[in-house]
Amino acid sequence: DSGVTQTPKHLITATGQRVTLRCSPRSGDLSVYWYQQSLDQGLQFLIQYYNGEERAKGNILERFSAQQFPDLHSELNLSSLELGDSALYFCASSFRTSSIYDEQFFGPGTRLTVL
Amino acid sequence: GQQVMQIPQYQHVQEGEDFTTYCNSSTTLSNIQWYKQRPGGHPVFLIQLVKSGEVKKQKRLTFQFGEAKKNSSLHITATQTTDVGTYFCAGEDRYGGSQGNLIFGKGTKLSVKP
Repeated sequence: DSGVTQTPKHLITATGQRVTLRCSPRSGDLSVYWYQQSLDQGLQFLIQYYNGEERAKGNILERFSAQQFPDLHSELNLSSLELGDSALYFCASSFRTSSIYDEQFFGPGTRLTVL
Repeated sequence: GQQVMQIPQYQHVQEGEDFTTYCNSSTTLSNIQWYKQRPGGHPVFLIQLVKSGEVKKQKRLTFQFGEAKKNSSLHITATQTTDVGTYFCAGEDRYGGSQGNLIFGKGTKLSVKP
């Protein structure tokens, strides 16, 4: 158990819908990262938040957005869902400052299926 | 943009044989991390390499970071069935302005036949 929690574990929805994935980082971790893992693309970095602010952006679609709240939990919002958005979405956390890079602890993931 | 290539994509070995996966970046990396993901599980951090030419060992696992900081390798000696999983390398390109943005290779899936 990494200490990172993600809900829900599984999500099945239809094309065009909107969903919200939730992540609670390890206690004390300030950074939250979101990744998308699909069979053909591997692990794709989406976005990072540090202490409530967006810190880095990867291959995140405009239909996707995220935020980190004052209690440091984070939500990833996916809208206008397409079949190709079906994937495993991981959240990871780390205690990262601007000058120190440390390991990321991954949550169990949310499996999204778009029908 | 920055790319991290990992080979081979799959590796099947007999238990007791050695295994190596290679990671190559199109740009110089500030650091590289290795993760292992068991089937049905989530990525678990193994190690981080920062210095040019760095070599680190964890029991049967040996990690290397190239002198030019553009490639890395993970070698497992005498594989065991518990080594089964997908091994990912991930690089951060701070020099290129991608601080905090980990680029993952597509992974090497290792299967071990007992």
